[in-house]
Amino acid sequence: GENVEQHPSTLSVQEGDSAVIKCTYSDSASNYFPWYKQELGKRPQLIIDIRSNVGEKKDQRIAVTLNKTAKHFSLHITETQPEDSAVYFCAAVDGGATNKLIFGTGTLLAVQP
Amino acid sequence: EAQVTQNPRYLITVTGKKLTVTCSQNMNHEYMSWYRQDPGLGLRQIYYSMNVEVTDKGDVPEGYKVSRKEKRNFPLILESPSPNQTSLYFCASSPRGDPNTEAFFGQGTRLTVV
Repeated sequence: GENVEQHPSTLSVQEGDSAVIKCTYSDSASNYFPWYKQELGKRPQLIIDIRSNVGEKKDQRIAVTLNKTAKHFSLHITETQPEDSAVYFCAAVDGGATNKLIFGTGTLLAVQP
Repeated sequence: EAQVTQNPRYLITVTGKKLTVTCSQNMNHEYMSWYRQDPGLGLRQIYYSMNVEVTDKGDVPEGYKVSRKEKRNFPLILESPSPNQTSLYFCASSPRGDPNTEAFFGQGTRLTVV
């Protein structure tokens, strides 16, 4: 089955700097890679996703890149703001019979004002 | 308003006392799942359901049961809770009977078993 590793587990940046979170996956059949943001005490919410036929996707200050050969994908946040502080989870769909989402262990991003 | 609703939000119970956490969605989604969230372990899937009367185990199903008698409801049952089931639980739903689209999460249920 699919296995997703996420790094770093914590990340502290200064407001205005960029933040990068990286994930690797094991199942080459996986074809969908979402990113979720979870603010303190709240539910996870989708912020961006990418499918395997695309190498990069951007939405304002956030972007995701996918390298299928190396089986890794990354979240990039530019011009970080205090409201970007949250836990971020990457995920991949298990390409086997279960067809379920496998989440990484999360990255706690702290943006220092 | 489109949403996934879990109840209760907070629950403290004693070891061995059966409990049910309810989950209901009003988006006509076919795919529903339960996750538990523990520090350093991320979100781990407990059970999922592709459609009414179709359920299957996720990664950590031991000690849990589910049912899917109606499309909108997917309750999580702990027949004999134990302290290692103390966790934050999320229900989620997705459209079209597969998870390759956005998963909508409930607001979470924080369970403490003493």
